[in-house]
Amino acid sequence: DADVTQTPRNRITKTGKRIMLECSQTKGHDRMYWYRQDPGLGLRLIYYSFDVKDINKGEISDGYSVSRQAQAKFSLSLESAIPNQTALYFCATSDLGGAGVETQYFGPGTRLLVL
Amino acid sequence: DAKTTQPPSMDCAEGRAANLPCNHSTISGNEYVYWYRQIHSQGPQYIIHGLKNNETNEMASLIITEDRKSSTLILPHATLRDTAVYYCIVRPPRGDSNYQLIWGAGTKLIIKP
Repeated sequence: DADVTQTPRNRITKTGKRIMLECSQTKGHDRMYWYRQDPGLGLRLIYYSFDVKDINKGEISDGYSVSRQAQAKFSLSLESAIPNQTALYFCATSDLGGAGVETQYFGPGTRLLVL
Repeated sequence: DAKTTQPPSMDCAEGRAANLPCNHSTISGNEYVYWYRQIHSQGPQYIIHGLKNNETNEMASLIITEDRKSSTLILPHATLRDTAVYYCIVRPPRGDSNYQLIWGAGTKLIIKP
């Protein structure tokens, strides 16, 4: 979805390096998410944020940190990258529809390889 | 663990209806059924959702059984561009603390010419 952008799209880094993945959205949504996907598997939640002052750990937050710089920007950092963090990373946003419905919109993904 | 069970793969002929089943036998009364799809490692795309009534939109139809323990996503006239992994997800409504989408492995749907 062009309304959710991720940079970089591809990244190769070495073990021990610090890297940052960035996500921007023009949808005006308060909620943003970071997921990772390993080959053949579904997505797993790393961190999520319900507004600029709210940050929450997801299922697999160890080894990651995030920053919500503004409503439109949510960054994911790997403080010291390790090979098992090689994966496809997705950012998502969500709107809050009526009747308790929440739909997520995803960015195109960042493919990360840690050597 | 995902609260849904889906077949790992399915084939469908182009132009025919694709019917993708999903079992969610432990679904709670306030949990919605969502369907997303992911085309070749792109970001997942929302398709449709429902609570207990059948739903239809421009992309698909969702049929939920009366006991809500299973559902079927129907793509009425499948095209080659519908080849993707389809995820069936159940989640509680907004406001519930257990809000997260739990993603299983999905069903890989291959549309054949």
